[in-house]
Amino acid sequence: EAQVTQNPRYLITVTGKKLTVTCSQNMNHEYMSWYRQDPGLGLRQIYYSMNVEVTDKGDVPEGYKVSRKEKRNFPLILESPSPNQTSLYFCASRPGTGSYEQYFGPGTRLTVT
Amino acid sequence: QKEVEQDPGPLSVPEGAIVSLNCTYSNSAFQYFMWYRQYSRKGPELLMYTYSSGNKEDGRFTAQVDKSSKYISLFIRDSQPSDSATYLCAMAPLGGYNKLIFGAGTRLAVHP
Repeated sequence: EAQVTQNPRYLITVTGKKLTVTCSQNMNHEYMSWYRQDPGLGLRQIYYSMNVEVTDKGDVPEGYKVSRKEKRNFPLILESPSPNQTSLYFCASRPGTGSYEQYFGPGTRLTVT
Repeated sequence: QKEVEQDPGPLSVPEGAIVSLNCTYSNSAFQYFMWYRQYSRKGPELLMYTYSSGNKEDGRFTAQVDKSSKYISLFIRDSQPSDSATYLCAMAPLGGYNKLIFGAGTRLAVHP
């Protein structure tokens, strides 16, 4: 089944404790993105990647890091999480140039206390 | 001012009603307009997309774009309880594949 998977689905952590949210897609898509979803603000892009080793900032990149060492994986790293990063995070992928359709993962609900 | 405004609802309608969901936007460069549906505890999934102005129909769903008014709509005919979800509009300029801007979403509840 074509899909985007994320792990973990739920995470509660404390301020300053480094964490990684994994994302993997099995559709051989070139492009991958991370979004956060907050009430009243909608989905906002954190980072995106056009291909292996090629990443760029989205609209809200502060406090986040990403890497793309393999085409299928695009982990999101929070090196020192803070309470304002409590949110619902989505990974997405899309085939490539010419396609606007994003395929989203199931989401990771992160709480930072 | 947000680039894309969407009434958050919630919108509650009886089964069989016609539902109208709307977004307004301020950036005249937007050319691609999309509607995503998001069920509770799931990721958004693309429902429909249109390029520039006009209408597009897919079964019970019709997407409408009025670029002169900077206004897009999604109509759902004969609404069903299974249509209960949050509907997100999204838009991008020509070639702006990585510049998708989402509305905040409208929560819809269709009750039997």
